[in-house]
Amino acid sequence: NAGVTQTPKFRVLKTGQSMTLLCAQDMNHEYMYWYRQDPGMGLRLIHYSVGEGTTAKGEVPDGYNVSRLKKQNFLLGLESAAPSQTSVYFCASSYLARDRGNSPLHFGNGTRLTVT
Amino acid sequence: EDQVTQSPEALRLQEGESSSLNCSYTVSGLRGLFWYRQDPGKGPEFLFTLYSAGEEKEKERLKATLTKKESFLHITAPKPEDSATYLCAVQPGGQNFVFGPGTRLSVLP
Repeated sequence: NAGVTQTPKFRVLKTGQSMTLLCAQDMNHEYMYWYRQDPGMGLRLIHYSVGEGTTAKGEVPDGYNVSRLKKQNFLLGLESAAPSQTSVYFCASSYLARDRGNSPLHFGNGTRLTVT
Repeated sequence: EDQVTQSPEALRLQEGESSSLNCSYTVSGLRGLFWYRQDPGKGPEFLFTLYSAGEEKEKERLKATLTKKESFLHITAPKPEDSATYLCAVQPGGQNFVFGPGTRLSVLP
């Protein structure tokens, strides 16, 4: 039972390079999220998706794009990486719990990205 | 603006020394408050959900409580394996979750 899987686990980019972070979940969850985690700032939402083919901006979306072509996958793209994007990126998923809002988030183990 | 703060930022306890972590929040409406545990190099792991003031949840040495403005995570007789960062998050409405910065707990043997 894999849960939420993120690839790669580590990556070093040079300023201006591009890359895609991959997230896959096997729990049939409707909702998927991309967060970044920086020291002292907590988890901040980048983009999220409420279903296949739909995406929405979160708190810190600039410099990132996302796609959700399949229900189980959520991709995060950096078109032109900047040192300010050095962070740990977490993907998460959840489902709608009847009468209770969303279920708790299920997280992957993160991608550690360094932009030099 | 929806906001979550946590205190203290860091806490060091001796094994067996009970204490509490605080999560204060200001939100337009609360659909749920969540506690997570995060170990170094790992993603957050779900502990509890609380939905309304007065609600309590318990798991082993941990007990979470909720009031209209804050939540406490009480740790009774902690062990070194309880060392981790504890995160609090709220779901104000819609599909978003707002996280606090966390409390780093160290339990010394």
